[in-house]
Amino acid sequence: DIQMTQSPSSLSASVGDRVTITCQASQDISNYLNWYQQKPGKAPKLLIYDASNLETGVPSRFSGSGSGTDFTFTISSLQPEDIATYYCQQYDNLPCSFGQGTKLEIK
Amino acid sequence: EVQLLESGGGLVQPGGSLRLSCAASGFTFSSYAMSWVRQAPGKGLEWVSAISGSGGSTYYADSVKGRFTISRDNSKNTLYLQMNSLRAEDTAVYYCAKDLGGTTVVTPGMDWGQGTLVTVSS
Repeated sequence: DIQMTQSPSSLSASVGDRVTITCQASQDISNYLNWYQQKPGKAPKLLIYDASNLETGVPSRFSGSGSGTDFTFTISSLQPEDIATYYCQQYDNLPCSFGQGTKLEIK
Repeated sequence: EVQLLESGGGLVQPGGSLRLSCAASGFTFSSYAMSWVRQAPGKGLEWVSAISGSGGSTYYADSVKGRFTISRDNSKNTLYLQMNSLRAEDTAVYYCAKDLGGTTVVTPGMDWGQGTLVTVSS
């Protein structure tokens, strides 16, 4: 099974900051990577698929990059409504697997 | 508008059984693979199982293989998860999700239900 290592596990930043989260796969997954946002008590929301494609309706301040084993998720200018937990997830092989999550807080 | 509505969660004793349902609307149900993903209280997301659009192919996480059975009734636009031999570690919110692709299982996509809580406890 493919293991996804996400870092950091938590992050505190100020409104307007650039925020970066990384995700590393235990083997080459090409670009088969999603990024999800989850707010408390809600279902996950898909933000980015195929590592870098923005889902329809998602603000352009969110972006993703990478391929192979190393991936990056970026919020270019943090907004208060971005407070959530973010997960990467690979779908190169079943079982698809999630990173452990990054809890983002406002400083 | 895609809607996914889970039901069937509740409190069950260890060793017991439960069947979850996910009623789908707003899309051609048989044209999409579907998944179940769970989240234990305060923990991360764990993919549980998936099924192709026809129902002919099914997949399971090792943690539930042999105990859980995924199925679907395309005439009723409903996805199911039969859970047997339940353990305390199965306690979680269970989400159903529409696949990002089509009839072949690829990955959960943008459409998820609101979740149903399963608590396994004596």
